[in-house]
Amino acid sequence: DIVMTQTPLSLSVTPGQPASISCKSSQSLLHSDGKTYLYWYLQKPGQSPQLLIYEVSSRFSGVPDRFSGSGSGTDFTLKISRVEAEDVGVYYCMQGIHLPRTFGPGTKVDIK
Amino acid sequence: QITLKESGPTLVKPTQTLTLTCTFSGFSLSTSGVGVGWIRQPPGKALEWLALIYWNDDKRYSPSLKSRLTITKDTSKNQVVLTMTNMDPVDTATYYCALSMVYWGQGTLVTVSS
Repeated sequence: DIVMTQTPLSLSVTPGQPASISCKSSQSLLHSDGKTYLYWYLQKPGQSPQLLIYEVSSRFSGVPDRFSGSGSGTDFTLKISRVEAEDVGVYYCMQGIHLPRTFGPGTKVDIK
Repeated sequence: QITLKESGPTLVKPTQTLTLTCTFSGFSLSTSGVGVGWIRQPPGKALEWLALIYWNDDKRYSPSLKSRLTITKDTSKNQVVLTMTNMDPVDTATYYCALSMVYWGQGTLVTVSS
């Protein structure tokens, strides 16, 4: 199985300030079709996970543009340009190139 | 509008078999490329992928749980069913179904206890 790791595991951010989460995979997520299958989810308190970013850097429908994803191969980053109160929750990265799908341990983001 | 909703027992006893149903709308599981999967999350812990069924009835399972899982679909009812045998307290979790890992249901909490 592909192992996904995330750093940091928790993050406390002042509203309006940026935040960054790193995700690393134990194998390259670059597919032979040229796409890289790395996804980011946000699980708000008491809710199911919601897709933020797919294929490293594409924002899902309705996701604010303060969220951006980058990276390649095995190293990826999710950035929030200006954190808002509604961004609190746990952020997960997930690899979508191999089965079983595997998730990172999650990064808990709260507001200072 | 795509929606998915999980249903099933909230409490099962150890060694029993769990049967969960995912009822969906807004898409068809007979459409090429479509897949519905199950993911679980123990309280306060991370997400764990369990199983996936594709439009063509191809089925995939988590290797660590494969011997205990069965996933089936009923296209006419817009449902996907997951069964998990020999339940144990460590299987206590919220179970989610999801369309192509994009659209998720609200989840259903299953507690395993005698």
